[in-house]
Amino acid sequence: DIQMTQSPSSVSASVGDRVTITCRASQGISKWLAWYQQKPGKAPNLLIYGASTLQGGVPLRFTGSGSGTDFTLTINSLQPEDFATYFCQQAHLFPLTFGGGTKVEIK
Amino acid sequence: EVQLLESGGGLVQPGGSLRLSCAASGFTFSSYAMTWVRQAPGKGLEWVSSISASDDSTYYADSVKGRFTISRDNSKSTLYLQMNSLRAGDTAIYYCVKIVGNSWIFDYWGQGTLVTVSS
Repeated sequence: DIQMTQSPSSVSASVGDRVTITCRASQGISKWLAWYQQKPGKAPNLLIYGASTLQGGVPLRFTGSGSGTDFTLTINSLQPEDFATYFCQQAHLFPLTFGGGTKVEIK
Repeated sequence: EVQLLESGGGLVQPGGSLRLSCAASGFTFSSYAMTWVRQAPGKGLEWVSSISASDDSTYYADSVKGRFTISRDNSKSTLYLQMNSLRAGDTAIYYCVKIVGNSWIFDYWGQGTLVTVSS
């Protein structure tokens, strides 16, 4: 199975900050990676797929990069509505696997 | 507008069974693979099972293989998950999820249905 390791598990930041979350796959997955945002009590929401393609309606302050085993989600100029938990997911091989999540909290 | 509406969750004793349903609308259901993803209380996301658009291919997590069965009725635009021999570790919110195109990436999620396995 492909293990997805996310870091950090939590981060405290202020409105306007830049936040970077990393996701490492235990083997190469090309660009078969997605990022999701989840707010408390809600279903996850797709932000980025193909490692760097922004899903429709997602603000441009969200950017994704990487390929192979190392990936990054960057939130530029953090907004109040961005405080949430973020998950990466590999879509290269079954079983499909998620990272453990990164909680972005208000400093 | 894409809508995915799960039903069938509830409280069940260990060893019991439940059948989850997901009614889909707003897209051509028969053209898309579908998936179930679960989330235990306070935990991360876990892929459970996927099924191809035409129902000819199914995939399962090792944790549910042999106990859960995914199926679909394209004439009713409905996805199912038959869950047998339920364990406490199956307690979670179960989400019905639509796939993006031909990838195994999830663009639309239902609101989820809670399954609680407890005596």
